[in-house]
Amino acid sequence: GAVVSQHPSRVICKSGTSVKIECRSLDFQATTMFWYRQFPKKSLMLMATSNEGSKATYEQGVEKDKFLINHASLTLSTLTVTSAHPEDSSFYICSARDGTHTTNEKLFFGSGTQLSVL
Amino acid sequence: SQKIEQNSEALNIQEGKTATLTCNYTNYSPAYLQWYRQDPGRGPVFLLLIRENEKEKRKERLKVTFDTTLKQSLFHITASQPADSATYLCALSNTNAGKSTFGDGTTLTVKP
Repeated sequence: GAVVSQHPSRVICKSGTSVKIECRSLDFQATTMFWYRQFPKKSLMLMATSNEGSKATYEQGVEKDKFLINHASLTLSTLTVTSAHPEDSSFYICSARDGTHTTNEKLFFGSGTQLSVL
Repeated sequence: SQKIEQNSEALNIQEGKTATLTCNYTNYSPAYLQWYRQDPGRGPVFLLLIRENEKEKRKERLKVTFDTTLKQSLFHITASQPADSATYLCALSNTNAGKSTFGDGTTLTVKP
């Protein structure tokens, strides 16, 4: 099956620093990738939709300058949390669609990144 | 406003019984509905997809029903096992290959 690799799995950083999270589709081309944030015992909150070669589409209330998304290739999307603060601490997950299949509604998820900002 | 509700935050059942999880929605016209499994500290894993014109889908011990009149989907796990213990999320999409909106999930615990 399709595999999405997300790194790092866990990161602890100081307030004010920037953190980059990578999401890679290992065996398929992901024309669209999604970035989510998840709080304990809560659902996935969509932050943005990332399309290869174009600017990401952010959901209402998500700061574009705070959460920088780059989807430079068909297999890689990155999320950079800039000038992180303790309130940015959360579980971040990416997902991808297989762009080579006609029925591509299924989402393949990364294993998530637990960000803790001190 | 659009809303997805999963029946309860937690469901505890005995091994061997059938687990039934509910997903209700309002103000949606979904093209399809999906169920995912999520283990603690991990990303969700796709289980089943059912389209608006389908009533039921099965996969091994899993069964999903979709009633667009009641605006409800039921997710059944038959002959449940402790390994089925996890959080199960339903997700709706209004358009084909569009973005999906997830419910808060139901945490299932199957006791031996």
